Amino acid sequence: RKEVEQDPGPFNVPEGATVAFNCTYSNSASQSFFWYRQDCRKEPKLLMSVYSSGNEDGRFTAQLNRASQYISLLIRDSKLSDSATYLCVELSGGSYIPTFGRGTSLIVHP
Amino acid sequence: SQTIHQWPATLVQPVGSPLSLECTVEGTSNPNLYWYRQAAGRGLQLLFYSVGIGQISSEVPQNLSASRPQDRQFILSSKKLLLSDSGFYLCAWQDRARGYTFGSGTRLTVV
Repeated sequence: RKEVEQDPGPFNVPEGATVAFNCTYSNSASQSFFWYRQDCRKEPKLLMSVYSSGNEDGRFTAQLNRASQYISLLIRDSKLSDSATYLCVELSGGSYIPTFGRGTSLIVHP
Repeated sequence: SQTIHQWPATLVQPVGSPLSLECTVEGTSNPNLYWYRQAAGRGLQLLFYSVGIGQISSEVPQNLSASRPQDRQFILSSKKLLLSDSGFYLCAWQDRARGYTFGSGTRLTVV
C-alpha cells in the first residue's frame, strides 16, 4: 500500500523565518511529485511541482531525494500569508491515482 | 484555459435525503476526473475516479455513487445520506504536466 507521510505540525514560526517540511514516500516507483497549499476551508492549490534536479520559485524551494525517498519544501523569509496547510503528493508512473499526504500545518506569526 | 466548476458551495441536507453534486470542466477533453472527500481536520480521501465517459472506479465502499454522463461532467450522488457523509467534497481533474486542479468544493452538512 502506497503511503505518503508528513509531520502534521503545526509549525509555528515568526515572520521572516526559514522553515522546511519533509514528506516521505514508500513507493519506489513514484515518478511525479507535487506540493499543494490548502487554506482553511478552501480547496488545495498547486504550489509547485518537484523535479529530480530540484526547483525554486521565489521564496520556495522543492527538492527530491530518491535514495532516501523523501521530498522537501523550504520556505524562506516567511510571510503571514504563508500560513496554510501544505500537502505533498506522489504519482507513480502510469497510475491515475495520486497519493496525498495529510498535510503539514504552518502558522506564521508577527 | 482550463477551468473546473463545482456546485453548490454549501449544502445542508437531512439524514436520508438524496444528494447530487455536479462538477464540470472546460477547456480540455477526455480529462481524468476525481471525487475526493475531506472530513474536518483530516486528509483527502479518494472516492471515485473516471478516465472516460461511463467509466467509474470506486476506491471505498459507501452509500455514494458517481456517474460521468458526458466527457467533462462528473456527478456524485447518494440515494440516502448518512450523518457520516458530512464533509468537504472536492472534484479534481488531472493535467499530467501540472498535477491536479481542484474545484472550489462543496461543504456538505448532514443533519
